[in-house]
Amino acid sequence: RKEVEQDPGPFNVPEGATVAFNCTYSNSASQSFFWYRQDCRKEPKLLMSVYSSGNEDGRFTAQLNRASQYISLLIRDSKLSDSATYLCVVNMLKHGGSQGNLIFGKGTKLSVKP
Amino acid sequence: DTGVSQNPRHKITKRGQNVTFRCDPISEHNRLYWYRQTLGQGPEFLTYFQNEAQLEKSRLLSDRFSAERPKGSFSTLEIQRTEQGDSAMYLCASSTPMGATNEKLFFGSGTQLSVL
Repeated sequence: RKEVEQDPGPFNVPEGATVAFNCTYSNSASQSFFWYRQDCRKEPKLLMSVYSSGNEDGRFTAQLNRASQYISLLIRDSKLSDSATYLCVVNMLKHGGSQGNLIFGKGTKLSVKP
Repeated sequence: DTGVSQNPRHKITKRGQNVTFRCDPISEHNRLYWYRQTLGQGPEFLTYFQNEAQLEKSRLLSDRFSAERPKGSFSTLEIQRTEQGDSAMYLCASSTPMGATNEKLFFGSGTQLSVL
């Protein structure tokens, strides 16, 4: 299994649609999970952290399933401005260690059409 | 500008030449990361520092790649004997972890390397 694996995309959806992205990770010891957004020709920026109990920020909801080593991002009522690449990020802890490497998935491209 | 600064923005070099990129992190950030990104892919982790200590370097792509952060402030990434396959965007990010599970990376705009 790849360290961090995402839906290949692209996702092309109409405005107002609900869209969900999935991500799986290989290291069961991982403790930190994030979603980043990257606009075309720009640097990645943090969208939201993912907490064990799940968390919501406006139209965005992130979920974590540790048993399945799976995280998700749900975008409701999608806007044209949501068009971007969404990157799943996982802290790959070393065995017995507390430090880790922040590993990015390949990203899923979202295009929201009018 | 108090964000992460990378220089140069663009670098064109001939195959076999050495190149060095510089990253100036946000001043109070103690962690500094280097990533490489090619078109259509996510950022690929290369190495990171906690202050001046390089805590992970096994993912540097080959022994032609090296990074330093001598005083725990700015960092440099050097690629020796460049190859065409090294052409990519090299991204630097810095952070100050807030606890074990909360770390926000702030990225610079990157250095775009083209090896001819």
